[in-house]
Amino acid sequence: NAGVMQNPRHLVRRRGQEARLRCSPMKGHSHVYWYRQLPEEGLKFMVYLQKENIIDESGMPKERFSAEFPKEGPSILRIQQVVRGDSAAYFCASSPVSRGYEQYFGPGTRLTVT
Amino acid sequence: TQLLEQSPQFLSIQEGENLTVYCNSSSVFSSLQWYRQEPGEGPVLLVTVVTGGEVKKLKRLTFQFGDARKDSSLHITAAQPGDTGLYLCAGYPTQGGSEKLVFGKGTKLTVNP
Repeated sequence: NAGVMQNPRHLVRRRGQEARLRCSPMKGHSHVYWYRQLPEEGLKFMVYLQKENIIDESGMPKERFSAEFPKEGPSILRIQQVVRGDSAAYFCASSPVSRGYEQYFGPGTRLTVT
Repeated sequence: TQLLEQSPQFLSIQEGENLTVYCNSSSVFSSLQWYRQEPGEGPVLLVTVVTGGEVKKLKRLTFQFGDARKDSSLHITAAQPGDTGLYLCAGYPTQGGSEKLVFGKGTKLTVNP
């Protein structure tokens, strides 16, 4: 049973470029969460999505960041016009149901902005 | 302010020693989860505790949820180098019915052979 998959594992972008991070949840999971981890910091919630719906985006910066989870295909976290401060590890997690259920994490995408 | 405080932040011990790490809050949680994260990888779920006072054992690891569901501890017996990693606690605060998992900053454990 495949786990949560994320790609790419490493992404290097120059300032001003766009970064697209992909997440395929575990089979049977319809709830996807995105987190950001900065060095020496804990994981910070960004956004919670179900298929074709953004449920909670309260942790996501209002500008330049967007997320989607289409009916078909992976969830996408998009960062436009990246800046150096966007450099971090971005993790996706999935769960079969919501309301406090256990979340299972992918291996992460390490974004470096040069 | 950090909703979940973990201590110690760093811990370096010799193989065979016992250790306890703590996860504390002033808020009540409906459940707490412990994860272990290795460098360059995502967090791996170790256990979920739900009931106040609950104790769960996973081989040499013992997890406890406080009676008031505000704190938790992880005790490792006879630590091994393979236990090295970042231990994270996370939980769902009961206030607000949030579906956001809140994380502590973690305890970085190093077990020296």
